[in-house]
Amino acid sequence: NAGVTQTPKFRILKIGQSMTLQCTQDMNHNYMYWYRQDPGMGLKLIYYSVGAGITDKGEVPNGYNVSRSTTEDFPLRLELAAPSQTSVYFCASSYSPGTGGDQPQHFGDGTRLSIL
Amino acid sequence: AQSVTQLGSHVSVSEGALVLLRCNYSSSVPPYLFWYVQYPNQGLQLLLKYTSAATLVKGINGFEAEFKKSETSFHLTKPSAHMSDAAEYFCAVSDGVKPNDYKLSFGAGTTVTVRA
Repeated sequence: NAGVTQTPKFRILKIGQSMTLQCTQDMNHNYMYWYRQDPGMGLKLIYYSVGAGITDKGEVPNGYNVSRSTTEDFPLRLELAAPSQTSVYFCASSYSPGTGGDQPQHFGDGTRLSIL
Repeated sequence: AQSVTQLGSHVSVSEGALVLLRCNYSSSVPPYLFWYVQYPNQGLQLLLKYTSAATLVKGINGFEAEFKKSETSFHLTKPSAHMSDAAEYFCAVSDGVKPNDYKLSFGAGTTVTVRA
């Protein structure tokens, strides 16, 4: 069982370039999330999705876009890369929180992105 | 809105000594609380979760955490540290209340180093 798979693992971009970070999960989770992790800051939610065709903004959505055409895939798009987007990006998935927020999130291994 | 404070960004312990990581939360409703561990160059893995069934929660790798409502705390402990416990640990809280039941707020993290 692969869980949450992210590609690529590492990438260096030039300012102004665009790229898509891929995320796929095989657990049939309906909720998916994108976070960025910066040193000493914990994880900040960029976007999330509650199911195919439904996405919404998190805490730090500026400069990013997402789509969710299938249950399995939740790609994150950077349109015009900026140095402030240098970070480690994590994709996660979970079952619906249901009647409470007790469903743990399952994380991929991350994409380490540098913008130069 | 919920939030999490982890006291101490770095903790150093000797092998065999007690590991104590502190987490305090704020939430307007009874929370769901989680501890995650992140090993170098990996994603976050769930250590344990509190969902109101019992105040003392046992997790993987010999870790446990105690929920204390009066102190709004959820501290993580392990009686005897092992070299393999060297990692970053994150406390997270969800209030489980719609429409924000998806939202998991993370602390800034505590890095644990284990001395031989």
